[in-house]
Amino acid sequence: EAEVAQSPRYKITEKSQAVAFWCDPISGHATLYWYRQILGQGPELLVQFQDESVVDDSQLPKDRFSAERLKGVDSTLKIQPAELGDSAMYLCASSRADGYYGYTFGSGTRLTVV
Amino acid sequence: GIQVEQSPPDLILQEGANSTLRCNFSDSVNNLQWFHQNPWGQLINLFYIPSGTKQNGRLSATTVATERYSLLYISSSQTTDSGVYFCAPGGTGTASKLTFGTGTRLQVTL
Repeated sequence: EAEVAQSPRYKITEKSQAVAFWCDPISGHATLYWYRQILGQGPELLVQFQDESVVDDSQLPKDRFSAERLKGVDSTLKIQPAELGDSAMYLCASSRADGYYGYTFGSGTRLTVV
Repeated sequence: GIQVEQSPPDLILQEGANSTLRCNFSDSVNNLQWFHQNPWGQLINLFYIPSGTKQNGRLSATTVATERYSLLYISSSQTTDSGVYFCAPGGTGTASKLTFGTGTRLQVTL
């Protein structure tokens, strides 16, 4: 079964450092999503890509977060500088362009900022 | 945006018991998924069910889109069913993002 690949699985970083997460969606999935999940809550959308274009980044804290999907395939989410409140699970998902048949999520990156 | 309400927030079952989880949502949707989040944090897709009824083994789900709710049935529960269950309705095309509820935390005991 096709999977969404994410790395790293775990990341510990110091406050004010830069951190980056990588996601490789299922082949042929035009839409890619980055979600953030704080402990005890449901995931919240940070950014949605359709191919290489950003469709929705309304909840992305743009002063410190950036996301790119240069060739419309894999994607990188960056935080600079990291803050204590950024500690969370960062989840990547992909889907067909029309959204039918639903999302597939990767295993996530658990970020701890110390 | 879509408001999602899941109930109950917490559920403790003895192994072998049956349960029903409910999801209410505030707007018309073209997409709805149920996920199980395992102890390692991965979201496992259980059902893509914008409408109708589907079954997969001991699990089944029903969505009544016109009345804006969905139900997840777990029969003969097992300890491996423990975890958090999320309902996530959404749109299609460029509005296809899913909005997650706060989840139902299920614990199945021996």
